[in-house]
Amino acid sequence: GALVYQYPRRTICKSGTSMRMECQAVGFQATSVAWYRQSPQKTFELIALSTVNSAIKYEQNFTQEKFPISHPNLSFSSMTVLNAYLEDRGLYLCGARERDWGGEQYFGPGTRLTVL
Amino acid sequence: GDSVTQTEGLVTLTEGLPVMLNCTYQTIYSNPFLFWYVHYLNESPRLLLKSSTDNKRTEHQGFHATLHKSSSSFHLQKSSAQLSDSALYYCALSGGSNYKLTFGKGTLLTVTP
Repeated sequence: GALVYQYPRRTICKSGTSMRMECQAVGFQATSVAWYRQSPQKTFELIALSTVNSAIKYEQNFTQEKFPISHPNLSFSSMTVLNAYLEDRGLYLCGARERDWGGEQYFGPGTRLTVL
Repeated sequence: GDSVTQTEGLVTLTEGLPVMLNCTYQTIYSNPFLFWYVHYLNESPRLLLKSSTDNKRTEHQGFHATLHKSSSSFHLQKSSAQLSDSALYYCALSGGSNYKLTFGKGTLLTVTP
């Protein structure tokens, strides 16, 4: 079956430092990977969408300078939260999809980021 | 932009009673996909239902929903709640061709004995 792993599951970093999180797709080819953030008391908000062999598209209020993403192949993606501050805390979800839109997006369990 | 409004906050039901979680949406796209995801604590959100066909009922694991484009709705229903249904439920929308999912704020369903 199709599975998405994320690690670490939980992490704590000091304010002003950076944190890298990873997403691994197993059992299918992750043609596109979407990174979402769920801040406390809020819903999931799309940060950026990465499609292999295409430019990464960031949503408004999110930038490559703050959330650089790597998607080097069809099974792996990583995102770094640079210079993290309190407002960056939350659950970061990776969602991967194999084919054209309408296909199921498989989610990982998320990386929970705490910023001290 | 796209938006999804669903029954917010906490819904508490007694086991055996019917489940109804509302979801309405706004989008400029004429053929959106609507989804219901179920999210258990410390697990991955999992797709429960999806539909892009107007007025067609879709069912899975005892849950069902019908996309009604006339009312922009995709309500989640189940005839009889089970204790194991206790989880967070998210309604989500995907319009256009950019794979973006727009989520509602989530509904925490708690089923009690």
